[in-house]
Amino acid sequence: QSALTQPASVSGSPGQSITISCTGTSSDVGTYDYVSWYQQHPGKAPKLTICQVTRRPSGVSDRFSGSKSGNTASLTISGLQPEDEADYYCSSYTTSNTYVFGTGTKVTVL
Amino acid sequence: QVQLVQSGAELKKPGTSVRISCEASGYTFRTYSIQWVRQAPGQSLEWVGWINAGTGQTRSSQKFQGRVAFSRDTYATTAYMHLSSLRSDDTAVYYCSRDLPDTGFFDYWGQGTLVTVSS
Repeated sequence: QSALTQPASVSGSPGQSITISCTGTSSDVGTYDYVSWYQQHPGKAPKLTICQVTRRPSGVSDRFSGSKSGNTASLTISGLQPEDEADYYCSSYTTSNTYVFGTGTKVTVL
Repeated sequence: QVQLVQSGAELKKPGTSVRISCEASGYTFRTYSIQWVRQAPGQSLEWVGWINAGTGQTRSSQKFQGRVAFSRDTYATTAYMHLSSLRSDDTAVYYCSRDLPDTGFFDYWGQGTLVTVSS
């Protein structure tokens, strides 16, 4: 099972919007709506940010939103803030009853 | 509140094995699965496998099959991951996390356990 493909880095100025893509296959992202996104600050455990493609867990800012089209899922951060600077990983359930993570994207707030 | 507390850092020699524990509290242990994820230094997250804490059913990534085993003690509300035949590229932080079956996401995570494999 190959890792889902994400851009290595994305940057934006405070207040701007950015979008991170997550490309998989018909064996994972394209088949299930079990795509989730995790935010990870340096030295910390990952934090669930988006689940089931579009759902925002309680306590997560509404500046975070998710979507999916075909084999590609996306995470959008609106109104970028300094605390959003972190690594972001997507994840998907697969047809093999396993999970796969993305390659990770480093978000920089300029 | 939901908490997953993992055992401390380990230093192991190549060829040996390691067992990491993950003690859960604040929820009904048997209702959820425990997922295991690792992260090598400077690398992305990598899914290792899961154990259904209620049924004991397990599933692991093909990459680790034959080397990894999962178990749980429902009375101690603790899950375990055992990794054998350790190699230097097994050096990583290992995380446990909670997953409600058939929902596809990991909502709470442990603090991580650093396993260093070095001669």
